[in-house]
Amino acid sequence: EAQVTQNPRYLITVTGKKLTVTCSQNMNHEYMSWYRQDPGLGLRQIYYSMNVEVTDKGDVPEGYKVSRKEKRNFPLILESPSPNQTSLYFCASSFSGREQFFGPGTRLTVL
Amino acid sequence: GNSVTQMEGPVTLSEEAFLTINCTYTATGYPSLFWYVQYPGEGLQLLLKATKADDKGSNKGFEATYRKETTSFHLEKGSVQVSDSAVYFCALQLPNFGNEKLTFGTGTRLTIIP
Repeated sequence: EAQVTQNPRYLITVTGKKLTVTCSQNMNHEYMSWYRQDPGLGLRQIYYSMNVEVTDKGDVPEGYKVSRKEKRNFPLILESPSPNQTSLYFCASSFSGREQFFGPGTRLTVL
Repeated sequence: GNSVTQMEGPVTLSEEAFLTINCTYTATGYPSLFWYVQYPGEGLQLLLKATKADDKGSNKGFEATYRKETTSFHLEKGSVQVSDSAVYFCALQLPNFGNEKLTFGTGTRLTIIP
């Protein structure tokens, strides 16, 4: 089944404790992206990747890192999480110019 | 900058009622327009899209027409069902080499009561 998977789905952590949210797709998409969803703000892009080893900042990259060492994986790294990073995170992937597929979301709470 | 404005929610309707969710946009250039739906506990799914002025996107009984003169892309359905309860997002996408970024509205929560 074609899909985008994210892990974990739910995470509660404390300020400053490094964490990684994984994203994997099985559709051989070259494009991948991370968004955060906050009430009243919709979804905002954090980082994106056009292909392996090619990443760039989106609209709200502060406090996040990404890497794209393999085509299928695009992990989101929070090296020192803070409470303002409490949010619902979505990974998306697509072929260039085609429909984007979204993962199920990761709900992160930073205490 | 580019932005999308959606009608505030939540919206509550009775089954078989007519639905309209308003969406207007501001963009430099000629965007493609989308409606995404988010069912409880799930990710976003593409509902319909339109890529140029006067195009009509349609899917599952939902329709939206790309109106360049009013910069709008309102979502409509003639007879809603309980299973349509979800959050609906309007979004735009501008040609931008390499970045397939979607610019989303704030979302409209729709609840259909039997």
